[in-house]
Amino acid sequence: GAVVSQHPSRVICKSGTSVKIECRSLDFQATTMFWYRQFPKQSLMLMATSNEGSKATYEQGVEKDKFLINHASLTLSTLTVTSAHPEDSSFYICSARADTTSGGAADEQFFGPGTRLTVL
Amino acid sequence: AQSVTQPDIHITVSEGASLELRCNYSYGATPYLFWYVQSPGQGLQLLLKYFSGDTLVQGIKGFEAEFKRSQSSFNLRKPSVHWSDAAEYFCAVDKAAGNKLTFGGGTRVLVKP
Repeated sequence: GAVVSQHPSRVICKSGTSVKIECRSLDFQATTMFWYRQFPKQSLMLMATSNEGSKATYEQGVEKDKFLINHASLTLSTLTVTSAHPEDSSFYICSARADTTSGGAADEQFFGPGTRLTVL
Repeated sequence: AQSVTQPDIHITVSEGASLELRCNYSYGATPYLFWYVQSPGQGLQLLLKYFSGDTLVQGIKGFEAEFKRSQSSFNLRKPSVHWSDAAEYFCAVDKAAGNKLTFGGGTRVLVKP
């Protein structure tokens, strides 16, 4: 089956530093990937849609300069949390839509296991 | 804006008993509907999806869901739960092409021996 990995699985950083999270589709190509944020005991909130070779599309209320997304290849998207603060502590989840699909709404997204970010 | 409501935050069920998880959505048209399961340390896994056709959808792991347009609901069911079904379950909708999923708040299922 389609596998999506995330690295690191867990990261602790100091306030003011930047953290990069990688999302990789291991056995398929993904022009489109998605980044979500999940607060404890809450649901997933879509942050942005990452498109290979073009700028990411951010959801309303998400600071694009704070959360930098780079989708440089068909199997890798990165999310960089810049100048992290304690309120950025959260569980970040990525998903990828396989390029073999038609691109419609019924196509499945494959989710990574998530990255837990703790900012001290 | 579309929204998804899962009224039950927690459900405890005995192993072997039946399970039903509720999901209601608010959107003018019929959206694309999904159920995902999230286990600790693992990514969300798609259980089933509905976008047209038969309103009773069969999924993996013995789950099924029924779309009821009149009630704007897409409830998930399993006739007999196993201890391995203990997890967090999310209902999600996508109103149009683009895969922009809106998730419900989730229901945590605990399974008693």
